Amino acid sequence: DTAVSQTPKYLVTQMGNDKSIKCEQNLGHDTMYWYKQDSKKFLKIMFSYNNKELIINETVPNRFSPKSPDKAHLNLHINSLELGDSAVYFCASSQYTGTGSEAFFGQGTRLTVV
Amino acid sequence: RKEVEQDPGPFNVPEGATVAFNCTYSNSASQSFFWYRQDCRKEPKLLMSVYSSGNEDGRFTAQLNRASQYISLLIRDSKLSDSATYLCVVRQASGGSYIPTFGRGTSLIVHP
Repeated sequence: DTAVSQTPKYLVTQMGNDKSIKCEQNLGHDTMYWYKQDSKKFLKIMFSYNNKELIINETVPNRFSPKSPDKAHLNLHINSLELGDSAVYFCASSQYTGTGSEAFFGQGTRLTVV
Repeated sequence: RKEVEQDPGPFNVPEGATVAFNCTYSNSASQSFFWYRQDCRKEPKLLMSVYSSGNEDGRFTAQLNRASQYISLLIRDSKLSDSATYLCVVRQASGGSYIPTFGRGTSLIVHP
């Protein structure tokens, strides 16, 4: 069983479209994250959710909106996609937000905006 | 100033070599430290946590120097399968939580 699973794995879409990426974790973790890895391979935190509440929102455009129906799921919705949104998006989870808790990652969603 | 800095490499070493990576972090309130490994087109996976007293796992040794705010990873007897990107990760305080913050990664290529 995959601990953190994301769908879809690949997503190719046109500029201006709206798309969603789903993430589920079966580890019973309290905290989930979304990271963006750009073409230079830099992993940058976008959002962090603890027990369904947003606890940090790095400076991402408001076209990106995380949605957490329950603590096992954290979906990412993106409106009006732009070319610069092309990247690999990773979902991750950790047991809690405190220190010492490692993060487990999903396989990533490779988004290409054309 | 970047929060977590690493030399991007690549480090190109022969099998059997010993190689060391360093990482520096800017936030002195950082609490937890990790090394992750990321293979091409794969997700990052935990390699090892880094403890204040230093820790070893087989061929891998991690050390933390809080005073100088750097973390190191030593790989002995390199294998071809060690070729990957090694990511330094620091849990840094942000908004009351500790967020895993990644360095840009150091690329390692082990050749025959």
